[in-house]
Amino acid sequence: QVQLQESGPGLVEPSQTLSLTCTVSGGSIRSGNYFWNWIRQPAGKGLEWIGRFYYTGSTNHSPSLKSRVTISGDPSKNQFSLNLSSVTAADTAVYYCARGVVVGARAYFDYWGQGTLVTVSS
Amino acid sequence: DIQMTQSPSTLSASVGDRVTITCRASQSISNWLAWYQQKPGKAPKFLIYKASILQSGVPSRFSGSGSGTDFTLTISSLQPDDFATYYCQQYSDYSATFGQGTKLEIK
Repeated sequence: QVQLQESGPGLVEPSQTLSLTCTVSGGSIRSGNYFWNWIRQPAGKGLEWIGRFYYTGSTNHSPSLKSRVTISGDPSKNQFSLNLSSVTAADTAVYYCARGVVVGARAYFDYWGQGTLVTVSS
Repeated sequence: DIQMTQSPSTLSASVGDRVTITCRASQSISNWLAWYQQKPGKAPKFLIYKASILQSGVPSRFSGSGSGTDFTLTISSLQPDDFATYYCQQYSDYSATFGQGTKLEIK
C-alpha cells in the first residue's frame, strides 16, 4: 500500500519561500508509471494543481504559479519536494502531495498524503 | 487553461436517493476525467478515471459517464457514508484542473 506524507514548516513569513517535502513509502519515485504531484486547497475552497515531478527529472507546473514553483526529487530518500517563492497570504492552504498515474503525458491522482496546513503570516 | 464547472454547488438529498452531479469542461477533454470524494479534514479519495471506470474498491452504486465536454457522476442509492464534497478533474494534457466541488448534504 502506497503512502505519502508531507512535512515542513506550518508557518511561513510573507515574501519568503515555502518548502515542503513528501516522503513516499510502499512505492518508488523511480517508477516510470507515476508522476509525483503537489496540490493545494485554501480553506473552504477547491483543489489547485501546483506541479509534478517525473523520475527522469522532468517537471511541469501550473501556468499560474510557474514562475514561483520549483519541484525536485531525491530518489535516494524516496522523496520529492516543493519550493514556492515570494509567498503571500493567498498561498495559505492545505498542501497535498499525490501520486499521479501516467497516461501518456496525462495523470489522475490515485494516492494522496494527508495534507499539511501552511499559513503565510508575519 | 481548461476550466471545469460543476453543478450544482450544493445538493441536498436523503439516504436511498439517486443523485447526479454534473461537470462541464470549457473545451473537449475526450474522456480524460476523474472524480474524487472529500470529507471534512481529509484528503480527497479517488473514485473514477477515464470518465466511467471505477477504481478498485469503490462501491458499484457510484457510476460515471460522459465524453467531450459534459460528464456526470451518479450515486444510485445514497448511503450515509456518501455525504461529502465531490470534485471532477480533467487530465487531457500535462496539467490538471478541478471543478469547484459539489457538496452533497443530508436533507
